Amino acid sequence: EPEVTQTPSHQVTQMGQEVILRCVPISNHLYFYWYRQILGQKVEFLVSFYNNEISEKSEIFDDQFSVERPDGSNFTLKIRSTKLEDSAMYFCASTIKVNTEAFFGQGTRLTVV
Amino acid sequence: QQQVKQSPQSLIVQKGGISIINCAYENTAFDYFPWYQQFPGKGPALLIAIRPDVSEKKEGRFTISFNKSAKQFSLHIMDSQPGDSATYFCAASGGGADGLTFGKGTHLIIQP
Repeated sequence: EPEVTQTPSHQVTQMGQEVILRCVPISNHLYFYWYRQILGQKVEFLVSFYNNEISEKSEIFDDQFSVERPDGSNFTLKIRSTKLEDSAMYFCASTIKVNTEAFFGQGTRLTVV
Repeated sequence: QQQVKQSPQSLIVQKGGISIINCAYENTAFDYFPWYQQFPGKGPALLIAIRPDVSEKKEGRFTISFNKSAKQFSLHIMDSQPGDSATYFCAASGGGADGLTFGKGTHLIIQP
């Protein structure tokens, strides 16, 4: 069964450092997403990406965040200057089209110290 | 109004019983309502989803009931098993919103 893969599974970084979280969406999917889940809380939408540009973003997705599809398979989330409150699980997801089944990766646990 | 309100926050059900989780929304533009199951340390996995043109959808032991006029939908897990113990999230999307809006989750424990 096709799956969304994310790397690394766990990343520890110092406050103020830049991090890049990586995702490989399902190959025939066209829409890509990043979500965040702070420990014990709900999953929150960050950004959607389609046709090589941001389609929608939430209030959480401020100027310190950026997304990129550097090649035909990877989809990345960059946090430029990490803060303690960025500590969370970050999930990548993909869909064939809007408002259909979203497949989630296993997540990257980001710990900012 | 992008919120999706989910209840209860936690639920304990005996093995073989029926687990019921409820969600309510306000944005009438939502047109896709999935339920996700999440185990600790894992990503959300789609269980079942419904669109507003039907009032009920059943897949195995899982049923979604949808009430468009009340703007509510619920998940019923029949014959609940210990392996169903997980966190369940309702979600919604539509009306031009690409991303899913999630409820706060229900921590379900099935007691043997």
